[in-house]
Amino acid sequence: DTAVSQTPKYLVTQMGNDKSIKCEQNLGHDTMYWYKQDSKKFLKIMFSYNNKELIINETVPNRFSPKSPDKAHLNLHINSLELGDSAVYFCASSQSGQVWVFGPGTRLTVL
Amino acid sequence: QQPVQSPQAVILREGEDAVINCSSSKALYSVHWYRQKHGEAPVFLMILLKGGEQKGHEKISASFNEKKQQSSLYLTASQLSYSGTYFCGTEKNTDKLIFGTGTRLQVFP
Repeated sequence: DTAVSQTPKYLVTQMGNDKSIKCEQNLGHDTMYWYKQDSKKFLKIMFSYNNKELIINETVPNRFSPKSPDKAHLNLHINSLELGDSAVYFCASSQSGQVWVFGPGTRLTVL
Repeated sequence: QQPVQSPQAVILREGEDAVINCSSSKALYSVHWYRQKHGEAPVFLMILLKGGEQKGHEKISASFNEKKQQSSLYLTASQLSYSGTYFCGTEKNTDKLIFGTGTRLQVFP
């Protein structure tokens, strides 16, 4: 069973479109995260949710909106996509700040 | 503030040793180490808590000096499977993990 799963794995879209990425974890962890990895491989935290509540919202444009329908799911919706949004987006989960488990990533390409 | 790792890249022959350093400008609660292979997700290696402890994972070990706000990852007798990008991750609290700048390690036969 996959611990942290994301869909889709690849996303290619035009500038200005709206898209969503879904994430699910079956580890029973209490906190979920979104990270962005750019072309230089830097991993930057975007959001953190604990038990469906937003804990951290780093300096991310408000075109990005996370939604957590329940403890096991954290989705990321992006409005009005821009070229600079092209990156790999990783979902992750952890329990009380212990091991962070990452999903396989979603490679977003904005044309 | 993102932790700074050094060196940025390391090239090794199988069997050689390497040290990767991670330095933070902020006080640390703990340090994590992850390895990411090309096209894959980061994978947890180990976590070190305050107290200057050292930990080991196969032939990979690490130390954490919270006074200096530094951690080092030691890879001994490297194997081809060690190739990848290594990230340290630092926590000020348990809500977020801030990753370092990364160190790319390549091991050749």
